[in-house]
Amino acid sequence: DSGVTQTPKHLITATGQRVTLRCSPRSGDLSVYWYQQSLDQGLQFLIQYYNGEERAKGNILERFSAQQFPDLHSELNLSSLELGDSALYFCASSVSGSFPAEQYFGPGTRLTVT
Amino acid sequence: AQTVTQSQPEMSVQEAETVTLSCTYDTSENNYYLFWYKQPPSRQMILVIRQEAYKQQNATENRFSVNFQKAAKSFSLKISDSQLGDTAMYFCAFMNQNQAGTALIFGKGTTLSVSS
Repeated sequence: DSGVTQTPKHLITATGQRVTLRCSPRSGDLSVYWYQQSLDQGLQFLIQYYNGEERAKGNILERFSAQQFPDLHSELNLSSLELGDSALYFCASSVSGSFPAEQYFGPGTRLTVT
Repeated sequence: AQTVTQSQPEMSVQEAETVTLSCTYDTSENNYYLFWYKQPPSRQMILVIRQEAYKQQNATENRFSVNFQKAAKSFSLKISDSQLGDTAMYFCAFMNQNQAGTALIFGKGTTLSVSS
């Protein structure tokens, strides 16, 4: 158990819908990362937050957004869902947002878009 | 842009044998970290080992060791005395100091099957 929690574990929804994935980092960690794992794209970095502020952006679609709240938990919002958004979404956390930040991964949320 | 390449999509090994997983990366940076992550069937991502680019000595963690060749930009993982529990997908990952944020860049992964 890494100490990072993600809810829900599984999510099934229809195309065009909007969902919210939630992540709670390890106690004491200030930085949160979101990654997407799909069969065709592999593991891709989406976005990083550090202490409530966006730190870095990766291959995140405009239909996706995220935020980190004052209690440091983070939410990833996915809207206008398409079949291709079906994937495993990981949250990771680290103590700092500075190099080298050892990241601990949550168990992931499996999103299925039908 | 930095890239990480794992050229072996699948590998198999017998219990107690040794197996080596390959990884190459491309970067123009000098200060970076390299990692191997394990993803068993449970899908949990588990850090196996990490290597600092400025260290010449290869990292080891029990049965896991790396062969880091900085000039060749190669970072292979050796698993000794393979166990059934080593069956998993293994990802090589890279983190660069001179980038915004501290995101990991992953390779496509190698699926390792350990049989008895």
